[in-house]
Amino acid sequence: DVKVTQSSRYLVKRTGEKVFLECVQDMDHENMFWYRQDPGLGLRLIYFSYDVKMKEKGDIPEGYSVSREKKERFSLILESASTNQTSMYLCASSLSGGSSYEQYFGPGTRLTVT
Amino acid sequence: AQSVAQPEDQVNVAEGNPLTVKCTYSVSGNPYLFWYVQYPNRGLQFLLKYITGDNLVKGSYGFEAEFNKSQTSFHLKKPSALVSDSALYFCAVRDSYTGRRALTFGSGTRLQVQP
Repeated sequence: DVKVTQSSRYLVKRTGEKVFLECVQDMDHENMFWYRQDPGLGLRLIYFSYDVKMKEKGDIPEGYSVSREKKERFSLILESASTNQTSMYLCASSLSGGSSYEQYFGPGTRLTVT
Repeated sequence: AQSVAQPEDQVNVAEGNPLTVKCTYSVSGNPYLFWYVQYPNRGLQFLLKYITGDNLVKGSYGFEAEFNKSQTSFHLKKPSALVSDSALYFCAVRDSYTGRRALTFGSGTRLQVQP
């Protein structure tokens, strides 16, 4: 079974702090994704990566950056956390090619910025 | 651009009755369609997908979905609901034409199954 893990389930940070959210997958997937989930808005794509050191902006990249130094690890960085970044953050991974387009999700990190 | 609509915020159904959770989509090319379920304080779990072939797709936990190209719909169904099916359900689409690797998700539908 694919396993996607996220470093924290719950996180509380102060406005202006730099925040790191870590995600690790164990199935050698090429693609990794960061979404945020807000009530009534579903999941919105922040960034994704299709290879080591490669990244593309998603639909809402402002205020975020990412890092992928190793294939299995994808980090989301909030350079200066703000209260409007309080949300549930979900990491996912998927294969490239073939017909296995489904994404596998981690358990999520609920971030509160005060 | 690809998009998904889930027109119902919440669906209520009695245990043992059939359930339907609605999803419509918009893409430029052929759609790849997915349903996911989320239980409280958990990540999303994959239920089923339509890529090509048979319009009726069967998935986990007795769920199925019917792809209807003319109505651009992919409704999730189950013949007999269980209380344990109560959760948040997301429909998602990927457009074969644009090559965008990420899925676009709907806003979610909360399913409440009453005993």
